[in-house]
Amino acid sequence: DIVMTQSPDSLAVSLGERATINCKSSQSFLHSSNNKNPLAWYQQKPGQPPKLLIYWASTRESGVPDRFIGSGSGTDFTLTISSLQAEDVAVYFCQQYYSTPFTFGPGTKVDIE
Amino acid sequence: QVQLVESGGGVVQPGGSLRLSCAASGFTFSNYGIHWVRQAPGKGLEWVAFIRYDAGNKYYADSVKGRFTISRDTSENTVYLQMTSLRPEDTAVYYCAKKGTPRYDEGDYFDYWGRGSLVTVSS
Repeated sequence: DIVMTQSPDSLAVSLGERATINCKSSQSFLHSSNNKNPLAWYQQKPGQPPKLLIYWASTRESGVPDRFIGSGSGTDFTLTISSLQAEDVAVYFCQQYYSTPFTFGPGTKVDIE
Repeated sequence: QVQLVESGGGVVQPGGSLRLSCAASGFTFSNYGIHWVRQAPGKGLEWVAFIRYDAGNKYYADSVKGRFTISRDTSENTVYLQMTSLRPEDTAVYYCAKKGTPRYDEGDYFDYWGRGSLVTVSS
C-alpha cells in the first residue's frame, strides 16, 4: 500500500498570509498514460463532507479560488493557500489515486492566527 | 446539479449487518464509477470500496474484504454497500463519492461527495 504522510499536523496563519501544507508518498507514482501525478487535495469543514480542490497534483477543480495552488511531483507534493481567508479554516487531506487501496494523508488542520 | 444521498445507517450490534444506499442524480449514472469512503469519529478518511461504471470491476480495502459487498442498480441510479460481520472499528460516517472521470478514463479522484450516513457498531 502507498502510505501518505502530511506535515504539519496543524498550522495557524494570519489572514492574508500564506499557508503551506506538505504531502509525501511512500513511493513515487506517475500515470504513464498522461504523464501526470495522480494526487488530489480535499478540504473538509466541520460537519461537512470533503470537497475536491485539486487533482492531478496541480489542476484546480472548477469553482475553486485561485489562491489554492497545488504543486509537486515524484513523492513530494504541496498545497499552498496564497492568501488565507477566514473561510479557509478547515482540515486538508491529500490522496493518491495511483493504485488501490486509494490512500489519504492524515490531514492538516488550518486555523487563523 | 450532481447529488449523492446516502441512507441506511444506524446502530447495529457487533456481528450484525446493514445495507447502505447511495442515490445518485444530476449526471449520467451509467458512465461513472462510485466509491465508498468512511471516516471514524474525529479521524481521517479511509477508502472502502469502488465499483466501476459497468459493475465490471469491484475493489475493496483489505479491512473490509470478504465482509462488505458493493453493487449498483442502474435502473435505480443507486449504489449499495452491503456490510456484514460488522465490528466496532467499522463505526464511521460512510460517504459515497463519484469518480472524477467517466468510464475507463484515468482519474479516481472524488469530485462529488454525499453528506454521509453514520454507522455505529456497538452492543
